[in-house]
Amino acid sequence: AQKVTQAQTEISVVEKEDVTLDCVYETRDTTYYLFWYKQPPSGELVFLIRRNSFDEQNEISGRYSWNFQKSTSSFNFTITASQVVDSAVYFCALDQVRQAGTALIFGKGTTLSVSS
Amino acid sequence: KAGVTQTPRYLIKTRGQQVTLSCSPISGHRSVSWYQQTPGQGLQFLFEYFSETQRNKGNFPGRFSGRQFSNSRSEMNVSTLELGDSALYLCASSLESSGADTQYFGPGTRLTVL
Repeated sequence: AQKVTQAQTEISVVEKEDVTLDCVYETRDTTYYLFWYKQPPSGELVFLIRRNSFDEQNEISGRYSWNFQKSTSSFNFTITASQVVDSAVYFCALDQVRQAGTALIFGKGTTLSVSS
Repeated sequence: KAGVTQTPRYLIKTRGQQVTLSCSPISGHRSVSWYQQTPGQGLQFLFEYFSETQRNKGNFPGRFSGRQFSNSRSEMNVSTLELGDSALYLCASSLESSGADTQYFGPGTRLTVL
């Protein structure tokens, strides 16, 4: 069975602190995709990154960076120099490569609160 | 390009009623998926449609159904509403390609069942 675990339910930091959100996944597939989404208070899920299982290169986008380690089945997300606008719920998700279509499996989410 | 739109944004129903939610995908996107978000169960996949056909289905009772029209717009229906159906229903659209497409989500419809 496939599963995504985000062990951190809530994290509180002060602005400018770095913060890492953990994501551990389980799958028997050799080919799969991992995603991170952000959900601000408005409710809409905002896409952040998509990574396939064959690409273990870390990625950096501005203040955001992602560390994918297949050996530990983890896909962690780091925000550098956090800002109040980063306050949101962050979801890690997994999808297998199937014959057609998609069906994301989400973790429970991590609520990040950044105070000024 | 306009994003995914969902109507209505808020809905209040009573137990036993039925409800229909609507979703318009991003222009050019042919796949539409539906998810239910509750505080207890989190985000759960309901079903996915492509070319008016359901391709994938989550583990939900038959009271939950959907359809897709030729213009890729989609509706989902919940019959005989239960209190536990109160949730945020999110629609997502994606392009059709091999493998797992990136899904882009709408703002959701918040359903309250009294």
